[in-house]
Amino acid sequence: DGGITQSPKYLFRKEGQNVTLSCEQNLNHDAMYWYRQDPGQGLRLIYYSQIVNDFQKGDIAEGYSVSREKKESFPLTVTSAQKNPTAFYLCASSIIGGLTYEQYFGPGTRLTVT
Amino acid sequence: AQKITQTQPGMFVQEKEAVTLDCTYDTSDQSYGLFWYKQPSSGEMIFLIYQGSYDEQNATEGRYSLNFQKARKSANLVISASQLGDSAMYFCATSGGSNYKLTFGKGTLLTVNP
Repeated sequence: DGGITQSPKYLFRKEGQNVTLSCEQNLNHDAMYWYRQDPGQGLRLIYYSQIVNDFQKGDIAEGYSVSREKKESFPLTVTSAQKNPTAFYLCASSIIGGLTYEQYFGPGTRLTVT
Repeated sequence: AQKITQTQPGMFVQEKEAVTLDCTYDTSDQSYGLFWYKQPSSGEMIFLIYQGSYDEQNATEGRYSLNFQKARKSANLVISASQLGDSAMYFCATSGGSNYKLTFGKGTLLTVNP
């Protein structure tokens, strides 16, 4: 089955530690995205990538870093510089070309930092 | 820049009745897309329906239809014959330009009562 996997589903970390969230897709999509969702809020874009070895900052990139070494993988690192890292993180992917490019989402990772 | 406004934090509907979820958008792009996603309590984002800015007919997908009024910049989602499984958060989103980013609203929590 084609889709997006995110692991783990729940992640707990101590304050001051960096943590990396995994995102893998086998849909052969060129573009991948990371979103953050806080309770009662919509999704906010952290980073996105349209091609391997290239990525752009979204609306709330501070305190986060990404890499895109393979088309299938787009890991997100939440660094200790992120002031409020506790949130629900969603990874997505899409084709590139035209406007009918709905984004397909993974199941998400719920990160709790104490 | 794009902006999505969903003015209904919560909506209630009786099973088997129709319900309309409101969405207004603001964009400077000439070509753009409008999307609706469903988010159940499990957290995954499920794509429901898409409308292109140049599409003259309203989009439909099964029990979902998008009431697109371009002059009013509105893209309301209509769910016909509501089912208990429709209870979820619903997000409206827009895209535009060449970067394929999605901008989401804050969502509407729909509760379907038996």
